[in-house]
Amino acid sequence: KQEVTQIPAALSVPEGENLVLNCSFTDSAIYNLQWFRQDPGKGLTSLLLIQSSQREQTSGRLNASLDKSSGRSTLYIAASQPGDSATYLCAVIYMEYGNKLVFGAGTILRVKS
Amino acid sequence: GAVVSQHPSRVICKSGTSVKIECRSLDFQATTMFWYRQFPKQSLMLMATSNEGSKATYEQGVEKDKFLINHASLTLSTLTVTSAHPEDSSFYICSARDLLAVGYEQYFGPGTRLTVT
Repeated sequence: KQEVTQIPAALSVPEGENLVLNCSFTDSAIYNLQWFRQDPGKGLTSLLLIQSSQREQTSGRLNASLDKSSGRSTLYIAASQPGDSATYLCAVIYMEYGNKLVFGAGTILRVKS
Repeated sequence: GAVVSQHPSRVICKSGTSVKIECRSLDFQATTMFWYRQFPKQSLMLMATSNEGSKATYEQGVEKDKFLINHASLTLSTLTVTSAHPEDSSFYICSARDLLAVGYEQYFGPGTRLTVT
């Protein structure tokens, strides 16, 4: 069964710190990998989508990398702010599953002011 | 662009009744829509994939007679929870794939909070 694993499950950092969230997947045969943000009781906000042919994507203070050979992706958040506090979800579309997204369990981030 | 809406955002119903949730792609056409369920402090679990004009494909363990999905047009899919029970209380999220987009990206709705009393 193809899975997605996120580490750590929870993270608490002081404001201003740079941080890295990790995501691993079990098969390199993927169409893309996507990072989402979810605030409590809310839907998903797409942050970055990396196609299988790409190595990284950047948006503002966010940078996501993709290493298919090792089955890993990282989401780097620079100069964290209290408003970054949320759950961050990593999701992968495995070729084996067609167009279905497989989600990790998420990392709960708290940025303290 | 690429906005997906859901209605209602919250619904409370009595046990045994049926509830319909709508998912609409507002500014694009979606041949494929997806329905997810999320229990508290858990990640999203795919329930079913619906394609416009055809029957939905349900994930293992999801009762198709209980969760009725209709995708009658390129901009609307509905999920009906029939004979709802308290254990069906959950956060239901839909997503849609743009017919014209590359890369299989899905756009997500804001979710519907269902509480069955």
